[in-house]
Amino acid sequence: SQTIHQWPATLVQPVGSPLSLECTVEGTSNPNLYWYRQAAGRGLQLLFYSVGIGQISSEVPQNLSASRPQDRQFILSSKKLLLSDSGFYLCAFRDRAYEQYFGPGTRLTVT
Amino acid sequence: QKEVEQDPGPLSVPEGAIVSLNCTYSNSAFQYFMWYRQYSRKGPELLMYTYSSGNKEDGRFTAQVDKSSKYISLFIRDSQPSDSATYLCAMYSGGGADGLTFGKGTHLIIQP
Repeated sequence: SQTIHQWPATLVQPVGSPLSLECTVEGTSNPNLYWYRQAAGRGLQLLFYSVGIGQISSEVPQNLSASRPQDRQFILSSKKLLLSDSGFYLCAFRDRAYEQYFGPGTRLTVT
Repeated sequence: QKEVEQDPGPLSVPEGAIVSLNCTYSNSAFQYFMWYRQYSRKGPELLMYTYSSGNKEDGRFTAQVDKSSKYISLFIRDSQPSDSATYLCAMYSGGGADGLTFGKGTHLIIQP
């Protein structure tokens, strides 16, 4: 069966520090991978998606970047965090027509 | 006008009641419709998905799509306290790899 992992689960970082969130998927090959951010009262916002290794599409201009170094690994990064980067970060995959499955999420607080 | 509108609630109903959750949308290109359930501090869990107009039933859950009115619904029968969560509708036009468009979610509370 397919599973999706994210870590860390919780992170508290100071403004200006770097960020690296990791997502891995098991039980599927060549999935589409997605990073979403969920902020209070604002719903889920798509940040990045990837259809293959090294292929990244960005939905909104921002302080974040994404990379896909392996087929089932998706990384979200920042060189210098802003207060506005706080939120709940969710990784998702899609391996069939349109169903997306989400990971457990990383709660990021920038102080 | 936002692409997907969803009443944030909270919606509070007694145990055993029928719950109706709704979303409206403006983009007529949406063809695939999903409902997710999200418990506090957890990732969303896919509950139901439908393509095109009509009804789809799965246990106590029924998803309904009316594309002519750009309106989708999720009905929960015999609601249980464990159904208390935030319910997110999501939509997708198809044909590309891009992500889903979500409503903001409705916070549902089932009172024992």
